[in-house]
Amino acid sequence: SQQGEEDPQALSIQEGENATMNCSYKTSINNLQWYRQNSGRGLVHLILIRSNEREKHSGRLRVTLDTSKKSSSLLITASRAADTASYFCATCRSNDYKLSFGAGTTVTVRA
Amino acid sequence: ETGVTQSPTHLIKTRGQQVTLRCSSQSGHNTVSWYQQALGQGPQFIFQYYREEENGRGNFPPRFSGLQFPNYSSELNVNALELDDSALYLCASSPPTSGVGEQFFGPGTRLTVL
Repeated sequence: SQQGEEDPQALSIQEGENATMNCSYKTSINNLQWYRQNSGRGLVHLILIRSNEREKHSGRLRVTLDTSKKSSSLLITASRAADTASYFCATCRSNDYKLSFGAGTTVTVRA
Repeated sequence: ETGVTQSPTHLIKTRGQQVTLRCSSQSGHNTVSWYQQALGQGPQFIFQYYREEENGRGNFPPRFSGLQFPNYSSELNVNALELDDSALYLCASSPPTSGVGEQFFGPGTRLTVL
């Protein structure tokens, strides 16, 4: 079973627009991470946010975390064609040793 | 790209056969985790190895087994293959820090079971 669920399942935007995707999870966590996957290849780590943090930035990425709602969002600003990929949130629970992934959001950026 | 490598890239097997997948972790990383990713789904945790010992296991049957070697590379073995085992198998390594932080994924092995 998957701990997290991403919303929407798919997103199509024009180059230059912003893309927002959300992740909800079920149990308390130690941290939440976002990964990108291109065309069924390996996952690339984007950003990690700890349970005591509310917002984090990395380049064009902005992640928020609301532990009271058990949800997170990933914002990609000024999207580029190269941002076309699947994006996954993954949660790590306290005293756990694994990541639990959601089913992902597929983002298509149109030129 | 990470320094994690996996072999082979693609593999085709038939039901009932056995398969071994290999992973070389990134330099300095002593923990290796294996994930199964079915088409259209997120990765599912299979198990993790730390200092050559299994450190945790997901909801997978015993026919999924693994090894970690002194150089921290790892193998995933699957016996009695079933059609549902068709998936992308991902290996991820992580450095010796407490808790689960960033994991470094390899490119994966695409297994097709006919």
